[in-house]
Amino acid sequence: DIQMTQSPSSLSASVGDRVTITCRASQYISTFLNWYQQKPGEAPTLLIFGASRLQTGVPSRFSGSGSGTDFTLTISGLQPEDSASYYCQENYSTPVLYTFGQGTRIEI
Amino acid sequence: EVLLVESGGGLGQPGGSLRLSCAASGFTFSTYEMNWVRQAPGKGLEWVSYISGGGNTIYYADSVKGRFTISRDNAKNALFLQMSSLRAEDTAVYYCARGRCSSTYCFFDQWGQGTLVTVSS
Repeated sequence: DIQMTQSPSSLSASVGDRVTITCRASQYISTFLNWYQQKPGEAPTLLIFGASRLQTGVPSRFSGSGSGTDFTLTISGLQPEDSASYYCQENYSTPVLYTFGQGTRIEI
Repeated sequence: EVLLVESGGGLGQPGGSLRLSCAASGFTFSTYEMNWVRQAPGKGLEWVSYISGGGNTIYYADSVKGRFTISRDNAKNALFLQMSSLRAEDTAVYYCARGRCSSTYCFFDQWGQGTLVTVSS
């Protein structure tokens, strides 16, 4: 099975900072990688699919890149409302397993 | 507006059973894949199970295979998760999540608010 590893597990940053989170797959997954945001006490929401495709309604300060095994989520110009946990998810496995990374918590 | 509302959570006994439901509205339920995802207290997200729109393709995580059964009633716009042989490690918030695919990429684009399952004697 594919394992997804995120780093760091948590970080502290300031409003306006540029923040980058990394997600590494244990094997090749092309660009079959999604990113979700989860605010405390809330359900997750989709940010990015296909490694770099922004979900409708998501602010343009969020961007994703990568392919193969290494991926990044970048927030350019951190806002107070970005304080949340972020999860990567692969959708390459057949049959589906939809494995998530362990999450990265961003504190502002 | 798309709405997913889970219910059925609560206290379950080790070795016992619980049945979760997810009521869907605001979209053509039968044309979407559905999933259950859980989150143990203070932990990350874990995908649990998948069911295709027609209900004839089903997958489970190894951690629940043989103990949990996913099903759906498209006439009633409802998704279910029958949980049996419950273990303490099944304690989690359970979310239903709508699956969607764009080109070849699949993802969960709508989530319910979750229902808490606690397994304890």
